[in-house]
Amino acid sequence: AQSVAQPEDQVNVAEGNPLTVKCTYSVSGNPYLFWYVQYPNRGLQFLLKYITGDNLVKGSYGFEAEFNKSQTSFHLKKPSALVSDSALYFCAVRLTDKLIFGTGTRLQVFP
Amino acid sequence: EAGVTQFPSHSVIEKGQTVTLRCDPISGHDNLYWYRRVMGKEIKFLLHFVKESKQDESGMPNNRFLAERTGGTYSTLKVQPAELEDSGVYFCASSHTRGGYEQYFGPGTRLTVT
Repeated sequence: AQSVAQPEDQVNVAEGNPLTVKCTYSVSGNPYLFWYVQYPNRGLQFLLKYITGDNLVKGSYGFEAEFNKSQTSFHLKKPSALVSDSALYFCAVRLTDKLIFGTGTRLQVFP
Repeated sequence: EAGVTQFPSHSVIEKGQTVTLRCDPISGHDNLYWYRRVMGKEIKFLLHFVKESKQDESGMPNNRFLAERTGGTYSTLKVQPAELEDSGVYFCASSHTRGGYEQYFGPGTRLTVT
């Protein structure tokens, strides 16, 4: 079955440090992968996607993600975290036209 | 360009009552999706419209849920009668048919069934 796993419920990082939010997927064929962010009392906001091409994709707010086919991973990264990055992050894979989401990872950036 | 809007933002109803959620997609987006997140779990797909037609309703949990998109513009999702397990956040999303596959989400409707 197609699925997405986000193994960490919460990630804590100090402001200014690099951050990584992990995502692994299980799909047949070539995956279309997405990261979304949900700030408090807001809807999901598109961050970035991997469709094809360069394995390192850059998105909004300085985030990037690396597609690794051999490890079936699509980890979200940022070189220097900001307190304002604190939010709920969802990884998703496209299956036909719908999105299959992970359970979400809460990122907490401490000053 | 206005984003996806949803109404109401919150709804609290008693078990057995009826609730109707509304979604207005981004203008010009033919694709409209409904998802929901229950009890802090993953966001799950409910159904997909292309214009006014239901393309995929495989995620609809049971026949207490009815979605419509008359005229291919806004969509409604009716829950009748509501049960306790229907509580959660219902998200609507839209996308352009010739877009880059990303879906744009509304703020969600938080439904609480007591």
